[in-house]
Amino acid sequence: DIQMTQSPSSLSASVGDRVTITCRASQSINNYLNWYQQHPGKAPKLLIYAASSLQSGVPSRFSGSGSGTDFSLTISGLQPEDFATYYCQQSYTTLWAFGPGTTVEIK
Amino acid sequence: EVQLVESGGGLLKPGGSLRLSCAASGFTFSDYGMNWVRQAPGKGLEFVSSISGTSKSIYYGDSMKGRFVISRDNAKNSLYLQMKSLRAEDTAVYYCTRGGLVPPAFDYWGQGTVVTVSS
Repeated sequence: DIQMTQSPSSLSASVGDRVTITCRASQSINNYLNWYQQHPGKAPKLLIYAASSLQSGVPSRFSGSGSGTDFSLTISGLQPEDFATYYCQQSYTTLWAFGPGTTVEIK
Repeated sequence: EVQLVESGGGLLKPGGSLRLSCAASGFTFSDYGMNWVRQAPGKGLEFVSSISGTSKSIYYGDSMKGRFVISRDNAKNSLYLQMKSLRAEDTAVYYCTRGGLVPPAFDYWGQGTVVTVSS
C-alpha cells in the first residue's frame, strides 16, 4: 500500500505569511495528489487536485506543485480563514490514502 | 446544488451492526463514484470504501475488509455502508463523498454522521 507523510505536523504563522506544507508518497504516484482543507467540526474541502489544479472557487493564493513522490501546498498571503488542518491524498491507487495532516495555527 | 446528507449514525455496543445512508441530490448520481471516509475523534482522515457508478468496482480500506459492505441504489440516489462486528476503534465521524475520476478527487462531502462504539 502507498503511505503518505506530511511535514510539518503543525506550524504557527501570521496573517500575510507565505506557508508551504510538504507531502511525500512512499512510491511514485505521478501527479495523482490532492489537497484538502478542514476547519474544526467541519467537513473537509477539496482545494487542489492532480497536484496543481485549483478546484473551482478556491482562492488563487493556494497553489500546489510536485510529481512523483514529493509534493507541496503553498499559501501565499495567509488569511484568517486559512487557519485549518490540511491533508494530502493520493489518487494513484483506489485505496485513496490520506496523509496525517498539517495544522496551521495563528502565531 | 450538490448535496450529500448522511444518516444512520448512533451509539452501539462492540460487536453490533449499523447501516449508514447518504442521500444525494443536485447531480446525476449514477454518473459518479461514491465513497465513505471516516475520522476518529481528534484524528486524521481515513479512507473507508468506494464504489463506482455502476457498482461494478468496489474497494475497501484494509481495516474494513470483511466487516463493511458498501452499496448504492441509483434509483433512489442513495449510498449505503453496512457495518458489522463493530469495534471501539470504529468510533468516528463517517463522511459520504462524491468523486473518483474527473477530477480524481473527492469534490463534495456531506456533513458527516457520528458512530460511537462503546460498552
